[in-house]
Amino acid sequence: EDQVTQSPEALRLQEGESSSLNCSYTVSGLRGLFWYRQDPGKGPEFLFTLYSAGEEKEKERLKATLTKKESFLHITAPKPEDSATYLCAVQIGFTGANSKLTFGKGITLSVRP
Amino acid sequence: DAGVTQSPTHLIKTRGQHVTLRCSPISGHKSVSWYQQVLGQGPQFIFQYYEKEERGRGNFPDRFSARQFPNYSSELNVNALLLGDSALYLCASNPGVSNQPQHFGDGTRLSIL
Repeated sequence: EDQVTQSPEALRLQEGESSSLNCSYTVSGLRGLFWYRQDPGKGPEFLFTLYSAGEEKEKERLKATLTKKESFLHITAPKPEDSATYLCAVQIGFTGANSKLTFGKGITLSVRP
Repeated sequence: DAGVTQSPTHLIKTRGQHVTLRCSPISGHKSVSWYQQVLGQGPQFIFQYYEKEERGRGNFPDRFSARQFPNYSSELNVNALLLGDSALYLCASNPGVSNQPQHFGDGTRLSIL
């Protein structure tokens, strides 16, 4: 069965203190790995899709990378507004039940000013 | 452009009752998926609909059902509500082709008393 494990469960950073969030996965045939941001009381907001090992994507202070076993979300010089829960999800196909997203539990990031 | 919209935003029911949740996808999106998110966990896949047909179903009891209408909007129905059904119910849409990311609404918060 597909498994997604995120670590750490929670992370507290000082503003400007860079760090990385980890997502390890076990799937049979990865088609896509997705990162989402979720604010309290809101739905997940799409950040990145990664398709193959070695791929990297960047957006402002965030950079996502992918290997054959895990993905990292690097946060450079975070600001308090980056505080949120970050969700990682995998997809093994494009149609039907295979297109479902299997999520990890998420990582709650708090950035102190 | 409007994102995925869900209604109602909050709902309180008692055990044994029935509930209907509604979702309007992003304009042009033909695929709608439903997820359940329990507090402290990642979203869990319930259903996927594409072109008004059920294309995938997660590990949920038959008390859960859904349908998609000709305008691609969708309803999730839950019968005989249990305390454990209390959760945030999320709807996501995507165009339905290849591996385009799913975009989520802000969900319906369902509380069972």
